[in-house]
Amino acid sequence: QVQLQESGPGLVKPSETLSLTCTVSGYSISSGYYWGWIRQPPGKGLEWIGSLYHSGTTYYNPSLKSRVSISVHTSKNQFSLKLSSVTAADTAVFFCARGQGWVTAPTFDYWGQGALVTVSS
Amino acid sequence: SYELTQPPSVSVSPGQTASITCSGDKLGDKYACWYHQKPGQSPVLVIYQNTKRPSGIPERFSGSNSGNTATLTISGTQAMDEAVYYCQAWDSSTVVFGGGTKLTVL
Repeated sequence: QVQLQESGPGLVKPSETLSLTCTVSGYSISSGYYWGWIRQPPGKGLEWIGSLYHSGTTYYNPSLKSRVSISVHTSKNQFSLKLSSVTAADTAVFFCARGQGWVTAPTFDYWGQGALVTVSS
Repeated sequence: SYELTQPPSVSVSPGQTASITCSGDKLGDKYACWYHQKPGQSPVLVIYQNTKRPSGIPERFSGSNSGNTATLTISGTQAMDEAVYYCQAWDSSTVVFGGGTKLTVL
């Protein structure tokens, strides 16, 4: 059974960089599929942040592209998210997920439980 | 940028059929998928590639996609189906989510 678990600081100061890691178990990232990050501000809808393939190919949401970096660490079966210059508007639950059907019909079939990150001084 | 529009809310009586729409420019030319999300939980995929159900999703969930509208249909809706439903598609190398529809089973 594929499982994903987000980890990282729950509180980040404004203007700093938010960093999260997703640890995957039950499947080797290097075996395939895309791996992505999605966020959800409190009480609001889902927003895709970006996705990557184990080879390093990445896709980013254009609205966040200038501040986002997603990278993979195949030896640890992890991938990570960095979001720079955060503001209170970046406060959200961050989900990591496995993506299938890239590029024709991307779908997220396995999700982590989510990690709340609050941006506040 | 591409947008997907969903009604904020839909109500249905138990046992009846619920339909949730998702509208976008030429959406029928793309693949749509659907998730449901219950409070405090992660989204769960219920329909992918317009009409396919993942393993473990009940047969009462079905999907269609034509023209500018994708539709999720829940036949014989149960109380446990009460959740927020999101559609999602892919356009110009970008994943796009709809705003979500709160399904209330009265």
